[in-house]
Amino acid sequence: RKEVEQDPGPFNVPEGATVAFNCTYSNSASQSFFWYRQDCRKEPKLLMSVYSSGNEDGRFTAQLNRASQYISLLIRDSKLSDSATYLCVVNPGSARQLTFGSGTQLTVLP
Amino acid sequence: DAGVIQSPRHEVTEMGQEVTLRCKPISGHDYLFWYRQTMMRGLELLIYFNNNVPIDDSGMPEDRFSAKMPNASFSTLKIQPSEPRDSAVYFCASGFGYSPLHFGNGTRLTVT
Repeated sequence: RKEVEQDPGPFNVPEGATVAFNCTYSNSASQSFFWYRQDCRKEPKLLMSVYSSGNEDGRFTAQLNRASQYISLLIRDSKLSDSATYLCVVNPGSARQLTFGSGTQLTVLP
Repeated sequence: DAGVIQSPRHEVTEMGQEVTLRCKPISGHDYLFWYRQTMMRGLELLIYFNNNVPIDDSGMPEDRFSAKMPNASFSTLKIQPSEPRDSAVYFCASGFGYSPLHFGNGTRLTVT
């Protein structure tokens, strides 16, 4: 089983739609969680951290369920500029390294 | 701050040649990571350093790969000899403590 698993998609949604991505992780001792965004042929960039109580940043909402070991990202009122690959990222434990999911590809259509 | 700087942006080389990738982390960051990204395997951690000391190199594919960090502002990843299966985008990233990582633009390596 992979340490971090994501639905690869692709997700093709119309502008204005709400879309949700899920991610599961295998290490119950995982400490910290993030969503990164990667545009085509670019480097990954931090979208948002994921906190235990859930957090929101504008149109983006992240949730963490430790009991079920999954993380979610909700994008409301999607824009064309949201088209990218979204990477679920987990710090698996006391060590510093981050483990990346394989990414979920989103295309927002006009 | 200029961010994480990698060079070269693109590298095309022939099988058997030595390849050296370079990275300058963000000033003040105490962690440096080398990742490799391919379509098949996604982002894979190769090695990471803390305060210039290699901490975990278990992701380095084989002895052909080596990485160094002689000081806080510079790191290299070397492949010798290179093989076509090494073709990928190599990312360097840096961070401070447990803060999120900042990635460089990457080096796109093609080995023919």
